[in-house]
Amino acid sequence: EPEVTQTPSHQVTQMGQEVILRCVPISNHLYFYWYRQILGQKVEFLVSFYNNEISEKSEIFDDQFSVERPDGSNFTLKIRSTKLEDSAMYFCASREGNGGDEQYFGPGTRLTVT
Amino acid sequence: AQKITQTQPGMFVQEKEAVTLDCTYDTSDPSYGLFWYKQPSSGEMIFLIYQGSYDQQNATEGRYSLNFQKARKSANLVISASQLGDSAMYFCAMKGETSGSRLTFGEGTQLTVNP
Repeated sequence: EPEVTQTPSHQVTQMGQEVILRCVPISNHLYFYWYRQILGQKVEFLVSFYNNEISEKSEIFDDQFSVERPDGSNFTLKIRSTKLEDSAMYFCASREGNGGDEQYFGPGTRLTVT
Repeated sequence: AQKITQTQPGMFVQEKEAVTLDCTYDTSDPSYGLFWYKQPSSGEMIFLIYQGSYDQQNATEGRYSLNFQKARKSANLVISASQLGDSAMYFCAMKGETSGSRLTFGEGTQLTVNP
């Protein structure tokens, strides 16, 4: 069964460093998302992406964040200058579109900023 | 704006029994969708079930069913014949017509299945 994959599973970085989190959505899906979950809290929407551009973003998704689909399979989230409060689990999700509303999540990348 | 409320931080159930996890929502959108996800201790988010606001019947997927009561704005998850592997955090989420396709999540309910 097709699934969303994410790499790395765990990333440790120092404050101020840039990180890139990678995702491979399900191959025939058209809509892509990033969410984050700070430890012990609920999942929060960051950004959605369709047709090679951002379709929505939350107030969390400020200028420090960017997304890209560099090729036909990968979908990346870049954080330019990480802060301690960026420490969280980051989930990528994808949705087929064409009437399908279900979003399928990847296993997540745990980002730890020290 | 959408809001999801899960009032049960923790629930316990005996193996093989049924359990209901509560979810209420608030939205002014005429059309919306409701989702349930399972998050085991390993951290991944597993899609369980979806209910559209205009669906005539309650959604079912195997041992999972969604008790959708539109007038009460509730979308409770029912797990029948609980198994030890059902122990996990369960999140209710919704998508509204005016919020694009972003999902808004509740706080979650930690379910523990006892042998």
